[in-house]
Amino acid sequence: DIQMTQSPSTLSASVGDRVSITCRASQSIDRWLAWYQQQPGKAPKVLIYKASTLESGVPSRFSGSGSGTEFTLTISSLQPADFAVYYCQQYKTYPYIFGQGTKLEIK
Amino acid sequence: EVQLVQSGGGLVQPGGSLRLSCVASGFPFSTYWILWVRQAPGKGLEWVANINQDGGEKYYVDSVRGRFTISRDNAKNSLYLQMNSLRAEDTAVYYCARHGRLGDGFFDYWGQGALVTVSS
Repeated sequence: DIQMTQSPSTLSASVGDRVSITCRASQSIDRWLAWYQQQPGKAPKVLIYKASTLESGVPSRFSGSGSGTEFTLTISSLQPADFAVYYCQQYKTYPYIFGQGTKLEIK
Repeated sequence: EVQLVQSGGGLVQPGGSLRLSCVASGFPFSTYWILWVRQAPGKGLEWVANINQDGGEKYYVDSVRGRFTISRDNAKNSLYLQMNSLRAEDTAVYYCARHGRLGDGFFDYWGQGALVTVSS
């Protein structure tokens, strides 16, 4: 199975900051990677797919980059609604695997 | 508006069975891959199973294969997860979700989740 490792596990930041979260795959997944945001008690919401394609309706302050084994989710200017848990997910092969999550908290 | 509305969670004893349901609306259900994802309390997301448009292709995570069965009824716009031989480690919130357009393996709409607790 492909393993997905996110870093950091927790990220403390302030409103207006630019932040990045990294996701590494144990083998190449080309660009078959998605990013999700999950608020407490809610279902996840897709932000980015195919590594860098912004899902419809998602604010442009979110962006994704990378290919192969290393990927990055960047939030250009944090807003209060962005404090949540973020997951990457590979969908190159079964089983589909999520990263362990990155909790973005208010500093 | 795309909606996935779930039902069927609850408390079940180890070794017992439970069936989850998910009713879809707002999109042509029979043209999409559909799936289940679960999340143990305080833990991350785990893909459980998915099924293609006509039910002829199904895939499962190793930990549930042989115990869980995913199925769909396109006439009722419904997805199901039959869970047998349940274990404590199956305790989780179970989400149904829809694959992205063109059958891509990301998930663009999700149900509200249903808590399954396996405990004596």
